Amino acid sequence: GDSVTQTEGPVTVSESESLIINCTYSATSIAYPNLFWYVRYPGEGLQLLLKVITAGQKGSSRGFEATYNKETTSFHLQKASVQESDSAVYYCALGWPSSFSKLVFGQGTSLSVVP
Amino acid sequence: DPKIIQKPKYLVAVTGSEKILICEQYLGHNAMYWYRQSAKKPLEFMFSYSYQKLMDNQTASSRFQPQSSKKNHLDLQITALKPDDSATYFCASSQDTYEQYFGPGTRLTVL
Repeated sequence: GDSVTQTEGPVTVSESESLIINCTYSATSIAYPNLFWYVRYPGEGLQLLLKVITAGQKGSSRGFEATYNKETTSFHLQKASVQESDSAVYYCALGWPSSFSKLVFGQGTSLSVVP
Repeated sequence: DPKIIQKPKYLVAVTGSEKILICEQYLGHNAMYWYRQSAKKPLEFMFSYSYQKLMDNQTASSRFQPQSSKKNHLDLQITALKPDDSATYFCASSQDTYEQYFGPGTRLTVL
């Protein structure tokens, strides 16, 4: 079946440093899946951070960005300068543009940003 | 205002008992889902529903039964609870296909 692998956590980064959380996927279909990053802040539910549904495109939100690379089947999450408020668990996921299809998630990467 | 409500937030149950997890969405979406996240594991898809009809079921056990009394409700009944059922259960909804919105989760502990 489909699978998503992301950077093993926990990850600790100093405030204003750069961040990269790796995400690679394996899909059973020859089609290209939709790719997502979700974030879960402490005490809250998952929120969609960004999405890209076209291979080769880049998505961005709140200073984060991720580029859909179909050659390397990757969707790494990057931010140039993190803040304490970015401390959360980040989930990479894939889905298919068919009706009511499930999302397949990576294991999540816990990020702590320290002053 | 929260758009997807899950109740309760925390739930403790004894082995062999039965519990119902509540989910209501106020986004006007036509599809709802349940996912489960056990300790140290990724979120796993369980069910999807649309207009109160089951669309996909990837839960092997019949002990997990979704119940939809209204199109914006999708509760999850779990019978004969086992310690392995301990997890956080997330409800989600979407309009048609991708971009699912998630609730805050119900953390279930089975003793």
